[in-house]
Amino acid sequence: DAGITQSPRHKVTETGTPVTLRCHQTENHRYMYWYRQDPGHGLRLIHYSYGVKDTDKGEVSDGYSVSRSKTEDFLLTLESATSSQTSVYFCAISGGLRTSKNSGANVLTFGAGSRLTVL
Amino acid sequence: AQTVTQSQPEMSVQEAETVTLSCTYDTSESDYYLFWYKQPPSRQMILVIRQEAYKQQNATENRFSVNFQKAAKSFSLKISDSQLGDAAMYFCAYCVGASGTYKYIFGTGTRLKVLA
Repeated sequence: DAGITQSPRHKVTETGTPVTLRCHQTENHRYMYWYRQDPGHGLRLIHYSYGVKDTDKGEVSDGYSVSRSKTEDFLLTLESATSSQTSVYFCAISGGLRTSKNSGANVLTFGAGSRLTVL
Repeated sequence: AQTVTQSQPEMSVQEAETVTLSCTYDTSESDYYLFWYKQPPSRQMILVIRQEAYKQQNATENRFSVNFQKAAKSFSLKISDSQLGDAAMYFCAYCVGASGTYKYIFGTGTRLKVLA
């Protein structure tokens, strides 16, 4: 989507290999999020960032790590991928709820998703 | 814990009819925001409507409106004059911010089918 891109869009890997998903934004938004989507579970928050080098865990953070060394990039790493991490991963960005409503920045804007298959 | 519950995994509606999707949430906060997102088969997440908790007036966006009951912690979405293009997964979401950290929590979704 405009202003936010995820890469790769599709990846197949084997159990035990490391995987890094990248989220890149051009909106200069402060907040960035990683979600996973699985049938019956909706979207579950993995990790989020509220500034450069400021990150926190979500509800399903085990087995995942993140890094944000600059405003525009938020990386999600699976240190040793497992089959249970097969999922669609979404990155999302927000300017925070106190920004102007008219700017649209105070809502969550999503990337197109990355489908990861761990064999 | 902050939770969002969508109790209807799937709903069907006839074209041109009205349908209501349910959502309840649990929070101890007084200042928060609620959202409905739509996910069509393309998988893209699209914002449908947003409600600020401090506003008593229900939000409306064209054919989409909400029934926000703060005391009951309920936030239902009404789709009027349903169209085939409304067929999608609909997610209810809640957001609260403390000390500048905003977390968006989503429900499990309701799949809406629109029958011609």
